[in-house]
Amino acid sequence: ETGVTQTPRHLVMGMTNKKSLKCEQHLGHNAMYWYKQSAKKPLELMFVYSLEERVENNSVPSRFSPECPNSSHLFLHLHTLQPEDSALYLCASSPRGSGGTDTQYFGPGTRLTVL
Amino acid sequence: LAKTTQPISMDSYEGQEVNITCSHNNIATNDYITWYQQFPSQGPRFIIQGYKTKVTNEVASLFIPADRKSSTLSLPRVSLSDTAVYYCLVGPYQTGANNLFFGTGTRLTVIP
Repeated sequence: ETGVTQTPRHLVMGMTNKKSLKCEQHLGHNAMYWYKQSAKKPLELMFVYSLEERVENNSVPSRFSPECPNSSHLFLHLHTLQPEDSALYLCASSPRGSGGTDTQYFGPGTRLTVL
Repeated sequence: LAKTTQPISMDSYEGQEVNITCSHNNIATNDYITWYQQFPSQGPRFIIQGYKTKVTNEVASLFIPADRKSSTLSLPRVSLSDTAVYYCLVGPYQTGANNLFFGTGTRLTVIP
């Protein structure tokens, strides 16, 4: 049990659908992250929130929209996705949000398939 | 941005010691080195972190030479359950994560 949960675990959606991924951390951490992991590609950092403020957005397309209502919850809203967006989406949290030295705790991921 | 290079894959027999090396030639003075383990369909899990010389915990050891341009993760007496992808991550102590970069990782297969 990592203390980071993600729902749903699997999601299939059409390109015109709107869906949301949810992440919740029960660790009392101050930072939360969204990553994308495509087959045979490195883990890609998408968004970082520290104390509920977005501190990093690595040029992610606007069809991905994050929301962090409080330090325990993180959402990724999806709309008009493309088939190439199919991937494992991982959420993580860390105690301080201090970049490379802060241990990140990952959730199990949401396996997204875009048809 | 301190990017990393690791072998794509490694095989080892059960009970052997495994050493996985990561190259990070342009590591910055304030960068730390962190290793994660990832099993299929799971998120990565922290293994060990270090800045210089040697760090050891109950799971692994991390060796970092004086020039810090590489690091070696050492797993003592691996078992089948150690089959996973191992990522080397280099990044600074600073708010924000613009310097966080996971490479392609090393896929370790432990053979009976």
